[in-house]
Amino acid sequence: DTEVTQTPKHLVMGMTNKKSLKCEQHMGHRAMYWYKQKAKKPPELMFVYSYEKLSINESVPSRFSPECPNSSLLNLHLHALQPEDSALYLCASSQGILRRISGNTIYFGEGSWLTVV
Amino acid sequence: GQQLNQSPQSMFIQEGEDVSMNCTSSSIFNTWLWYKQDPGEGPVLLIALYKAGELTSNGRLTAQFGITRKDSFLNISASIPSDVGIYFCAGQLGTGNQFYFGTGTSLTVIP
Repeated sequence: DTEVTQTPKHLVMGMTNKKSLKCEQHMGHRAMYWYKQKAKKPPELMFVYSYEKLSINESVPSRFSPECPNSSLLNLHLHALQPEDSALYLCASSQGILRRISGNTIYFGEGSWLTVV
Repeated sequence: GQQLNQSPQSMFIQEGEDVSMNCTSSSIFNTWLWYKQDPGEGPVLLIALYKAGELTSNGRLTAQFGITRKDSFLNISASIPSDVGIYFCAGQLGTGNQFYFGTGTSLTVIP
């Protein structure tokens, strides 16, 4: 069973709506991630938070806004999305590293299915 | 993002057969991970590899971290119907928390 919990499981929103996806982990991990996955495609990295600071933004449009309130929580705020943003949004976490050590493994939640209408 | 090429793209095999798939990249990775994803679910970790040349098993699954650190292999022995799904490799680039995924291998097991 995954120890990364995502809510909601399903979300339908209009293009003018503002909504948020939430993610929580209690494994003591210090890195958290958002991935986007379209049908029959691999997950695509969107954002990485390391020690509660945004460390990687893979040129994601500003209509997606991540937030990391603390080391256990990760949010993705959604505003003015387009229908092509409909996808499975995956949250993940890993031990996180500041220097090169072994054992950094990434664990995923079950995802939030987003439909933009 | 990084491009990890995974092959084959899909496989149709008889129950009991062995399966092999691989993942290659032009970049050097420090960690290789293998996942299985069922429809509507998140990826589930199968095997993690942390050192070049490392060979690790998990039940009927065996994976290897390539010596060049640019590739990895996954073998499944004596396949069963519940092995059906999409298998992804993922690599950690550099010393930061950047994990990129391969293109996936869709496995169908015929009873």
